Amino acid sequence: DQQVKQNSPSLSVQEGRISILNCDYTNSMFDYFLWYKKYPAEGPTFLISISSIKDKNEDGRFTVFLNKSAKHLSLHIVPSQPGDSAVYFCAASARQGAQKLVFGQGTRLTINP
Amino acid sequence: DAGVIQSPRHEVTEMGQEVTLRCKPISGHNSLFWYRQTMMRGLELLIYFNNNVPIDDSGMPEDRFSAKMPNASFSTLKIQPSEPRDSAVYFCASSWTGGRGGYTFGSGTRLTVV
Repeated sequence: DQQVKQNSPSLSVQEGRISILNCDYTNSMFDYFLWYKKYPAEGPTFLISISSIKDKNEDGRFTVFLNKSAKHLSLHIVPSQPGDSAVYFCAASARQGAQKLVFGQGTRLTINP
Repeated sequence: DAGVIQSPRHEVTEMGQEVTLRCKPISGHNSLFWYRQTMMRGLELLIYFNNNVPIDDSGMPEDRFSAKMPNASFSTLKIQPSEPRDSAVYFCASSWTGGRGGYTFGSGTRLTVV
């Protein structure tokens, strides 16, 4: 039972354009959401997070949007750069058992020059 | 800080053999997590520890898998006997209990069981 789903295994975007990665969740107890970025042969690294009391969080070129009613979040990267090519994982946690992160399957983003 | 250190980086073993994966968390972190990455399911939590005590092992697939954390600076994940379907990348991560922030992951161990 996948509580966190990333339905797009891959995404290809031209350099300079916007990249939009999507994530859906089913557990209404989730109240904190994170995005991780993973390069080949490395572990995932934390990118950006958002609490359920917000609907948007921005950090430089990266913005995460949360739609609680739709149980959907998205990561926007503007403008996309070649170094953004990686696998992106969406993750969620609930206040009870807050340390336990549930991850999605990941989306491989490729930025084309 | 050297980050979360996992060993070995790669392991190739024959079916039926015992495999032991090792992890050294970041000093001061009191939570440790073992994840497995597969194409189909992404990152699956196998087990996590708080202050060296196993809290949730519901993700451990079978009795063939076991994990220990004898002290705050070391943990092992053992598979005995190993099977080809155990082939995956295994990640260890650590964090500080007090925050809702993210984990720090190690570089992973790529396990191939032939």
